Amino acid sequence: QSVLTQPPSASGTPGQRVTISCSGSSSNIGSNTVNWYQQLPGTAPKLLIYSNNERPSGVPDRFSGSKSGTSASLAISGLQSEDEADYYCVAWDDSLNGVVFGGGTKLTVL
Amino acid sequence: EVQLVESGGGLVQPGGSLRLSCAASGFTSSSYWMHWVRQAPGKGLVWVSRINSDGSITTYADSVKGRFTISRDNAKNTLYLQMNSLRAEDTAVYYCARRVYSGSSTAFDYWGQGTLVTASS
Repeated sequence: QSVLTQPPSASGTPGQRVTISCSGSSSNIGSNTVNWYQQLPGTAPKLLIYSNNERPSGVPDRFSGSKSGTSASLAISGLQSEDEADYYCVAWDDSLNGVVFGGGTKLTVL
Repeated sequence: EVQLVESGGGLVQPGGSLRLSCAASGFTSSSYWMHWVRQAPGKGLVWVSRINSDGSITTYADSVKGRFTISRDNAKNTLYLQMNSLRAEDTAVYYCARRVYSGSSTAFDYWGQGTLVTASS
């Protein structure tokens, strides 16, 4: 049972826009920044969004992040086949004094 | 080019010990917080531990507290994870990751390729 809650799966067709939610509490998302990682099959995670809505250099602007209260979202527009991957949200938790990940969302491009 | 290369994984019996290493290159490792994150087969990412730039501050997940020890040797640009009293549930790929220099405390901009630890009899 992960501290941050994500839907286990999401799907969309090429060109569509999909969103992945991440729900937490006041001790994590409510008081700290959220980051998102993309993990392609068989590879290490890659930083996709940091500080709620910033993109590292090289990440396409099709990817965007937002945060409101104790929830955050990752949006992917213009879905492409290479976006098929697992996506994780993460935040610091003040009560646990540690890093907490969401359970991950497997995105399928139909 | 920034690189993180883990080593030291393998098969160990429950109750045994293992030490993982993470060799850093391409950056001044002594300036960065470093983390260990693990992933059990077919499961999600789970944070394990972190250490600050000079090694004076360490933090652990409750699941490994008292059994695992994170450390670093900045002269050798190497991060370590000493794992004692290993359990079957510690079986996972272990990644080392570099926290971004400034900003979000959970933004890891570089990751190693991972090393597999299997605790089984």
